[in-house]
Amino acid sequence: GEDVEQSLFLSVREGDSSVINCTYTDSSSTYLYWYKQEPGAGLQLLTYIFSNMDMKQDQRLTVLLNKKDKHLSLRIADTQTGDSAIYFCAEYPYTGGFKTIFGAGTRLFVKA
Amino acid sequence: DTAVSQTPKYLVTQMGNDKSIKCEQNLGHDTMYWYKQDSKKFLKIMFSYNNKELIINETVPNRFSPKSPDKAHLNLHINSLELGDSAVYFCASRAGSRNYNEQFFGPGTRLTVL
Repeated sequence: GEDVEQSLFLSVREGDSSVINCTYTDSSSTYLYWYKQEPGAGLQLLTYIFSNMDMKQDQRLTVLLNKKDKHLSLRIADTQTGDSAIYFCAEYPYTGGFKTIFGAGTRLFVKA
Repeated sequence: DTAVSQTPKYLVTQMGNDKSIKCEQNLGHDTMYWYKQDSKKFLKIMFSYNNKELIINETVPNRFSPKSPDKAHLNLHINSLELGDSAVYFCASRAGSRNYNEQFFGPGTRLTVL
């Protein structure tokens, strides 16, 4: 079945790069997302990538996709204390349907 | 200006009570969702409606009943509340079923059952 897995915790120092990893199982064409959840708030879309792409860059964010290993990563350059949040990896099949599969979320702690 | 709004933001109630949570989106989206986020932050989909039709109905106790009076609203009614229902409930909406369509989440309703 469909599944998305992430490590639960990551701690980095301010100014360092953060790399959050995710693996997924759907072998069909799919959209892959990174959502951010700050304390007491809902999820907000950070970035997304389609499964025929290898990389996407958006300012401090870089998404890398290894299709063979079904591995997705989110790199945050120059991590700031404001980046402390939970980051959810999610996949959504291109064929439609309505169900997004979310990972358990990675808690990013940024130390000043 | 709020895209997806939920009321109430906090709900504290006794076991056995019946309560409702309301959700509204002003984005013109066709699809709306209810998610439950537990204390470990795991996010589980509960229901989804597309154009007022129920399309996703996960394994959820039948004490939970969604209602969609129109495309812009999706409410969640919970009967006979139990301690295990304590969680944060998120409403979300999406434009359609194809393409990358982003889900927009509401701010959440924190339900505490005593």
